[in-house]
Amino acid sequence: EDQVTQSPEALRLQEGESSSLNCSYTVSGLRGLFWYRQDPGKGPEFLFTLYSAGEEKEKERLKATLTKKESFLHITAPKPEDSATYLCAVRRSGGSYIPTFGRGTSLIVHP
Amino acid sequence: DSGVTQTPKHLITATGQRVTLRCSPRSGDLSVYWYQQSLDQGLQFLIQYYNGEERAKGNILERFSAQQFPDLHSELNLSSLELGDSALYFCASSVSWNTEAFFGQGTRLTVV
Repeated sequence: EDQVTQSPEALRLQEGESSSLNCSYTVSGLRGLFWYRQDPGKGPEFLFTLYSAGEEKEKERLKATLTKKESFLHITAPKPEDSATYLCAVRRSGGSYIPTFGRGTSLIVHP
Repeated sequence: DSGVTQTPKHLITATGQRVTLRCSPRSGDLSVYWYQQSLDQGLQFLIQYYNGEERAKGNILERFSAQQFPDLHSELNLSSLELGDSALYFCASSVSWNTEAFFGQGTRLTVV
């Protein structure tokens, strides 16, 4: 069974304090790892797709990386507006290609 | 704005009732997904349609059903509602079954 585990569950940072969020996965035949950002009461907002180990993607203060067993979302010099829940999802080859989501990391950035 | 439109945004109804949630996917997207997100729960996959046909089913209750119409919009029907069905219901769409999905803003269902 596909498993996606995100850690930590919650993270509090001071503005400007860089950190990383982790997404560990167990899936046979990875066909995409996705990062989303979700604000309270809103729909998840797509951030990145990573397909193969070693791949990296960047967007403003966010950088996503992928290994064979996990992905990291690095947040450099975060601002209060980066506060949100960050979700990771994996899609495997074969079958229905349905993304399996982790429970997310709730990030709060204090000014 | 993801381009995925869900209506209504909020819905309050009584136990035992039936409701219909509507989703218009992004222009050009053929695949539609429905997810449920309860308080403190992750996103739970319910069902997927691709170009009008059911493609995959998750932990969808028998009281729930969905369909995708020829114009590609989708509806999720929830019947015999229970208090535990109160949740955020999200629709997402993607160009194909193996590309990233874009989510709507959700319908918040409250069953009283």
